[in-house]
Amino acid sequence: EAQVTQNPRYLITVTGKKLTVTCSQNMNHEYMSWYRQDPGLGLRQIYYSMNVEVTDKGDVPEGYKVSRKEKRNFPLILESPSPNQTSLYFCASSWSSGEISYEQYFGPGTRLTVT
Amino acid sequence: SQQGEEDPQALSIQEGENATMNCSYKTSINNLQWYRQNSGRGLVHLILIRSNEREKHSGRLRVTLDTSKKSSSLLITASRAADTASYFCATAGDSWGKLQFGAGTQVVVTP
Repeated sequence: EAQVTQNPRYLITVTGKKLTVTCSQNMNHEYMSWYRQDPGLGLRQIYYSMNVEVTDKGDVPEGYKVSRKEKRNFPLILESPSPNQTSLYFCASSWSSGEISYEQYFGPGTRLTVT
Repeated sequence: SQQGEEDPQALSIQEGENATMNCSYKTSINNLQWYRQNSGRGLVHLILIRSNEREKHSGRLRVTLDTSKKSSSLLITASRAADTASYFCATAGDSWGKLQFGAGTQVVVTP
């Protein structure tokens, strides 16, 4: 089954404790992206990757890191989480072809609480 | 910053009625996409319309795009209770890897 998976689905952590949220897709998509969703704000893009070893900032990259060493995986790293990073996080992937973008497939979400 | 803004923020209709929501954006786009989200779950893609297209259909969904007005509309015809969800528009600009979402329209369809 074609899907985007995220782990963990729920996480409660404390300020300053480094964490990683994993994202994996089995559709051989070149493009992957991370978003956070907060009430009343819709989704905001954190980082995206056009292909392996190619990443770029979205609208809210501060406090986050990403890496794309393999095509299927795109982990999101919070080196020193703070309470304002409490949010619902989504990973997404899609095909890409030159200048043409396609619809994105979303993972189920990771609900993160930082106390 | 948000590129797309949906209107209305919330919509309540009865089964069988049509639901229309609008999306306005500020800068030029490569394409505009509509997504549906059920209660905090992952988003599901509905329709992608490119900047050189004016209208697209998919089942009971109809999307229009007016680049001169920087606006798009999503029409759901003959709505069903299962259409209850939040609907988001997202725009991809010249740097198409960047996708910007609006705050969404919450649609409630009552039987």
